[in-house]
Amino acid sequence: AQSVTQLDSQVPVFEEAPVELRCNYSSSVSVYLFWYVQYPNQGLQLLLKYLSGSTLVKGINGFEAEFNKSQTSFHLRKPSVHISDTAEYFCAVNTNAGKSTFGDGTTLTVKP
Amino acid sequence: EAQVTQNPRYLITVTGKKLTVTCSQNMNHEYMSWYRQDPGLGLRQIYYSMNVEVTDKGDVPEGYKVSRKEKRNFPLILESPSPNQTSLYFCASRGLARGYEQYFGPGTRLTVT
Repeated sequence: AQSVTQLDSQVPVFEEAPVELRCNYSSSVSVYLFWYVQYPNQGLQLLLKYLSGSTLVKGINGFEAEFNKSQTSFHLRKPSVHISDTAEYFCAVNTNAGKSTFGDGTTLTVKP
Repeated sequence: EAQVTQNPRYLITVTGKKLTVTCSQNMNHEYMSWYRQDPGLGLRQIYYSMNVEVTDKGDVPEGYKVSRKEKRNFPLILESPSPNQTSLYFCASRGLARGYEQYFGPGTRLTVT
């Protein structure tokens, strides 16, 4: 079985400040990890994913994430956020059996 | 344009009245899935399908049915809806390999009174 834990349910930050959204996972098999973003009243869309290789993954809109196998983490970062980054962010894993498990989500609120 | 469509987008119904939410994708994806989203609970998988005529339960399948008769369609059926099924529902699809990301529909907001 696998699980995903997003350590912060809400993260308020000021515009142009850096942000980190934390995600830990547990799995008995190798994992493929994803971050999705959900803007208000919309479906989810992919921000970035880790499949293998370099542990630093770059995504859209200036976001990046670092896979840390020893700490079983996949934290999402952005060096300088904008108002338009206000959204809900989900960390997820895919398994061999086809199931997908999502974290509970982190609401990022960027204040002017 | 590659997309996942869901209908209806909004639905208000009464307890016990059977309903179907349709989902269709135009990307020839083998894998399709249904999720419900509730505040503070993230997305929970209801059912998924690895291909035509192949479906399996997710984490919260009780009270739901699905079918996969065609590759592009994956309807979600509530035979006897109850108020605890009031939620925001998302359909998603992807290629079969684990490394593929999911493409999500716009969501269906269901209210059962």
